[in-house]
Order: sequence, then structure tokens, then C-alpha cells
Amino acid sequence: GAGVSQSPSNKVTEKGKDVELRCDPISGHTALYWYRQSLGQGLEFLIYFQGNSAPDKSGLPSDRFSAERTGGSVSTLTIQRTQQEDSAVYLCASSFLGANYGYTFGSGTRLTVV
Amino acid sequence: QKEVEQDPGPLSVPEGAIVSLNCTYSNSAFQYFMWYRQYSRKGPELLMYTYSSGNKEDGRFTAQVDKSSKYISLFIRDSQPSDSATYLCAMSAGNYDYKLSFGAGTTVTVRA
Repeated sequence: GAGVSQSPSNKVTEKGKDVELRCDPISGHTALYWYRQSLGQGLEFLIYFQGNSAPDKSGLPSDRFSAERTGGSVSTLTIQRTQQEDSAVYLCASSFLGANYGYTFGSGTRLTVV
Repeated sequence: QKEVEQDPGPLSVPEGAIVSLNCTYSNSAFQYFMWYRQYSRKGPELLMYTYSSGNKEDGRFTAQVDKSSKYISLFIRDSQPSDSATYLCAMSAGNYDYKLSFGAGTTVTVRA
């Protein structure tokens, strides 16, 4: 597609429920990233996928968070047993040449845990 | 101490003023510096990109990098209400470093 597409754009869920967030990167971009943006905070790195290499999961805050990328394209971020502190905007980005020249971000999924 | 420090503002200026934004950082390995603009409820979009020290100009926008002081700046000349947004600095060490380190963002309002 022309840009990075994320769905849903907004998600309200009850504490304890599981949620899945989807990201469709720009066609041809081999790198895909998930970041989390909380109010007043910078972007927090969560996970990075590059081609067929093992993902860098070092930013995932707990084992309730997981992500996969199927066929080197679409990615799904799953949060199990959601907590109120998980409320944030989850941003997906993709790039062709790594971080040197920046990423292209999607519009994000605004997650609210009530 | 955060790796990248950025004053969150908010910053309010009249239309036509020069907007000055800056970030400081602690990691001397950073070589690639970017500024992103983020409108409300949108994802960040890449505005300016600079490699190493020096200045780069693009229309009304000028990015400056001073690696000796670990300090980067973004200037917006002749600011317009459409420039009202949150501006985030970002940087990486390059080479095989695929993560960007972001500042917290500065919220700018340009008053008509």
C-alpha cells in the first residue's frame, strides 16, 4: 500500500481481556517496528522485525506482550490480560534501510483499558 | 537520565515568528538525526534528516547538529498555524543500529 496501515484505529477493552493490533507495512519494506507512545512520554521501542531474522523483542515490557510477522509482511501485536497501564497509542513503522533514514509510521492504534 | 532530552513545552508563538526547538543527547555514537512532526491523532511523519554535524535547510525548516555539544536544533521560519503540532527529535548510531531513540516531543501552537 501507499502507507503503513494500522487497525483498529481505536480500541477500548476491559481489564483482563486480550487484544490484537494489526499493522500492514509499506510494500517492499523489510523492516517493521512497534513503538508505544504514552501521554507525555517519548516513543518506547517494543519490537523489531527484519526479513527472516529473529526479531528483537528486547523492548517488550512483559510476557503479556507478543508479536508476530507473517510472510514478511503483516504484523500482529498481541497483549494478553490487559492492564490499565497498557493504555497508550501503539505505533507501527516500516523502513527499507533500517533506522539511518528514518521510518514511516502508521497512524497508530489508541488503546484504552477500562 | 534519558538518552535524549527534549523540553515538552508547550510553546506558543504568533504567526510569522521563528520557532526554535532543540534536543540534547548523551550517546556520542549517534550519527543520524531526524525531526518528526506529529499532528493530533496521527503518526509521526519525517520532516528533516541530517547526518553528522552541520546544517540542513528545506524551505522554511532548518536543522542543525552540533555533535561536540551533543545538541540538535530545528528552526521554523515564518511559522504558520498549520505548523501547530508536536515535534519529536530522533537519532540513531547508524550502521547496524536499527532503533531510533526519541525525545518526548515539544508541542507547538502557532497563533493566527
